[in-house]
Amino acid sequence: DIVMTQSPHSLAVSLGERATINCKASQSVFYNSRNKDFLAWYQQKPGQPPKLLIYWASTRESGVPDRFAGSGSGTDFTLTISSLQAEDVATYYCQQYLNTPLTFGGGTKLEIK
Amino acid sequence: QGQVVESGGGVVQPGRSLRLSCAASGFTFSSYAMHWVRQAPGKGLEWLAIISYDGGDKHYADSVKGRFTISRDNSKNTVSLQMNNLRPDDTALYYCVRGAFEHTTSIDAFSVWGQGTVVAVSS
Repeated sequence: DIVMTQSPHSLAVSLGERATINCKASQSVFYNSRNKDFLAWYQQKPGQPPKLLIYWASTRESGVPDRFAGSGSGTDFTLTISSLQAEDVATYYCQQYLNTPLTFGGGTKLEIK
Repeated sequence: QGQVVESGGGVVQPGRSLRLSCAASGFTFSSYAMHWVRQAPGKGLEWLAIISYDGGDKHYADSVKGRFTISRDNSKNTVSLQMNNLRPDDTALYYCVRGAFEHTTSIDAFSVWGQGTVVAVSS
């Protein structure tokens, strides 16, 4: 199984500042024949289901603000929120979809400082 | 985008069975794989099962393999999860989720989520 490890576990950032969340896979999630990283990011606000933000490591889902950006390849990935807004308070999860079982990171709780 | 709505959750004793259902609308159901994902109280997300767009492929997490069975009816736009031999650690909010990519059999992200249905396993 591919183990996904997120850091930090929690993060407090001031409004308007940058937030950075890291995700590390226990093995590469890059698929040569597709030339893509099979990595997604989700946002889950309290009391709500998760929402897909990014897939293929860096492709924003339709309607996701451009302050959200995914980067990285192979085993190391980053979700960056360029200018934190109040509505971004949530828990963020990474997920690999290269192999079953499909696996999530443990989550990063983002709060306002 | 469409939507999915789960039903069938409840309180059940250990060792008993429960069947969850999910009704989909607003998208071409037969083009997408469907998943079940759960979240224990205060915990993270755990993928449980996928059924391919045509029902021909199914994969399960080890934690539920042999106990849970996923199925779909493309004529009714529904997907189900039959859960047998339930254990207290199966207590969670169960989400039905549409896959992100058309015509996939296992490689998939999670695009359309329901609000979930609660399963509580307790004597």
